[in-house]
Amino acid sequence: DAGVIQSPRHEVTEMGQEVTLRCKPISGHNSLFWYRQTMMRGLELLIYFNNNVPIDDSGMPEDRFSAKMPNASFSTLKIQPSEPRDSAVYFCASGQGRDLNTEAFFGQGTRLTVV
Amino acid sequence: AQSVTQPDIHITVSEGASLELRCNYSYGATPYLFWYVQSPGQGLQLLLKYFSGDTLVQGIKGFEAEFKRSQSSFNLRKPSVHWSDAAEYFCAVGPYSSASKIIFGSGTRLSIRP
Repeated sequence: DAGVIQSPRHEVTEMGQEVTLRCKPISGHNSLFWYRQTMMRGLELLIYFNNNVPIDDSGMPEDRFSAKMPNASFSTLKIQPSEPRDSAVYFCASGQGRDLNTEAFFGQGTRLTVV
Repeated sequence: AQSVTQPDIHITVSEGASLELRCNYSYGATPYLFWYVQSPGQGLQLLLKYFSGDTLVQGIKGFEAEFKRSQSSFNLRKPSVHWSDAAEYFCAVGPYSSASKIIFGSGTRLSIRP
C-alpha cells in the first residue's frame, strides 16, 4: 500500500486566495483525520471523519476552514479566504475503527505558506 | 484540564548511549498513551501505544515506554541509540473510549552525536 497520500506537498498562496488540500487515505481505513502543525501550537486535530461522516470538527479554527469527505478514498480541507496565520504543515491521517484511539497512519503533510 | 507535557525541547546523546524522553500527562480518566516519531519532512509514525495491561510497552525500532500512573508519566526509552534515531518525538494522550481529541505534546527533538 502506498500509505496516506497528500497533495500538494507544498503550497504558496497569497492572502485572500482559496486553498484546497487533498488527501487519499489508506484503502480499507474508515477513519480520517486532519491535523495542523505549527511551532507555536504544536500538533492540533482539526476534524475527524468516520465512514465519510464528520464526527468531531471542534478543532476547526473558524468558518474559513471546511472539510469534506465525499467518498471513502478522498478528502479535502479548504481554507477560504486564506490568511498568513494559516501558514502551517497540514497532515492527513487515516485509521481503522471508530474512535480516535486506533492507530493513525500519517501522510507526509502539505506545507502551506500564505503571504 | 487535559494536557501532555514534554519538558525537554531538545536532547543530544551520543550514538550508542541510552536514551530516555520524558512525558507527563494530566487526564481525568484512564488514558490511552502514544509515542510517535517524526523524521524531517515526514509525517508521524507510531512507535508504541499503551491501553492497559503490562505497564512496560515494547514498540518498533527497539523503543519501549513505561506507564507509571502514580507519576502520571509515560517515558520513552531506548538502551542504545543509532544515528537514524535523530528525529522529533511526540507523546500523546487520548480517552479510553468515545471519539474525542488526541492531545499531542510539544515534542522533543533528538540529536545524535557521532
